Amino acid sequence: DGGITQSPKYLFRKEGQNVTLSCEQNLNHDAMYWYRQDPGQGLRLIYYSQIVNDFQKGDIAEGYSVSREKKESFPLTVTSAQKNPTAFYLCASSMSWGNQPQHFGDGTRLSIL
Amino acid sequence: QQPVQSPQAVILREGEDAVINCSSSKALYSVHWYRQKHGEAPVFLMILLKGGEQKGHDKISASFNEKKQQSSLYLTASQLSYSGTYFCGTGDRGSTLGRLYFGRGTQLTVWP
Repeated sequence: DGGITQSPKYLFRKEGQNVTLSCEQNLNHDAMYWYRQDPGQGLRLIYYSQIVNDFQKGDIAEGYSVSREKKESFPLTVTSAQKNPTAFYLCASSMSWGNQPQHFGDGTRLSIL
Repeated sequence: QQPVQSPQAVILREGEDAVINCSSSKALYSVHWYRQKHGEAPVFLMILLKGGEQKGHDKISASFNEKKQQSSLYLTASQLSYSGTYFCGTGDRGSTLGRLYFGRGTQLTVWP
């Protein structure tokens, strides 16, 4: 079955440590997205990629980095510069850029040790 | 540019109806609706494009009033499975055409 796989489901980070969240899709979608979800805040866009080898900053990109070297993969690195990384992170994809339904992964919950 | 959803929370009995509203301060091109159950991924419900059209499936439908820059989601004869948090995502026609701005969500609880 086609879908989006995020791993790990739970992740713990120590102070000063970078961590990478994995997102893989086998839907053959061109566009991919990373959102951060905090209680009562809705979904806030961190980075998005319209097509492979291209990505753009979203609304809260500071302290995060991404790469899009393969169509099916869009990993997110939470760097030590992100001072408040505890949140639920959701990866999504859509067939193409522009008003297409977004399909979401099951999320990664990141906590600080 | 985050749209405003109202109400923040709704509690219903099975079989009752509910309306969730989503309004934006910017001219809209599209509105998406998603439902998220606790600890799970948001699931796409429907997309509405400009033109005031109404879409729906089963007993969930939505309208989009481009002039008023708002959309409403209608849940008719609610079922227990309708419980969850509903998000609207709005797309505009400006330089950010293609990306969505999500509201803070409306938490819907259906009791038997």
